[in-house]
Amino acid sequence: QQQVKQSPQSLIVQKGGISIINCAYENTAFDYFPWYQQFPGKGPALLIAIRPDVSEKKEGRFTISFNKSAKQFSLHIMDSQPGDSATYFCAAGIQGAQKLVFGQGTRLTINP
Amino acid sequence: DVKVTQSSRYLVKRTGEKVFLECVQDMDHENMFWYRQDPGLGLRLIYFSYDVKMKEKGDIPEGYSVSREKKERFSLILESASTNQTSMYLCASRYYAGFGNTEAFFGQGTRLTVV
Repeated sequence: QQQVKQSPQSLIVQKGGISIINCAYENTAFDYFPWYQQFPGKGPALLIAIRPDVSEKKEGRFTISFNKSAKQFSLHIMDSQPGDSATYFCAAGIQGAQKLVFGQGTRLTINP
Repeated sequence: DVKVTQSSRYLVKRTGEKVFLECVQDMDHENMFWYRQDPGLGLRLIYFSYDVKMKEKGDIPEGYSVSREKKERFSLILESASTNQTSMYLCASRYYAGFGNTEAFFGQGTRLTVV
């Protein structure tokens, strides 16, 4: 119940295309859904986060879509650029709790 | 600028050695975490600490222990290193906001190889 399942494990997208990464969860107590971006040789860093009281959050080319009834959320990267090539992790947390539960990660490659 | 610093980027240790991984944060965060990162398995929580001298097991604590004697420092200890502990280890810290949600800040990682 504490798991977050992320897919795909790897993704190759052409420059200018849309990258889509999906996550699913079981625990309905989760109320915080961040996405982290990790470049090679670096630790993950927060990219964007959403709470379940909204269905979508957009920051620049990055959008989180959230489907509470399906217990799914996804990251969309519009106009994908080679600089977006990184590993992306979705995560879920519970308000006031210390831990975040992370997905398995997606290695995204944007071809020029 | 927020910082989580791990003492080593790369370590090579022998099977059976006792290994110490050190992590320091400069943000006065209450919560600190140790994760292990393996391809296809994501970030798996080993241990976390919510206060000095306090610790809780994560999902994969076997073969590991931790120490938090000062608020800014959190150490991961491999009591007797084994080859299946070869991995990337990530330290993170997070401010405790009561009923809020806060960002986790990660160190750059330690790539440990056990031979």
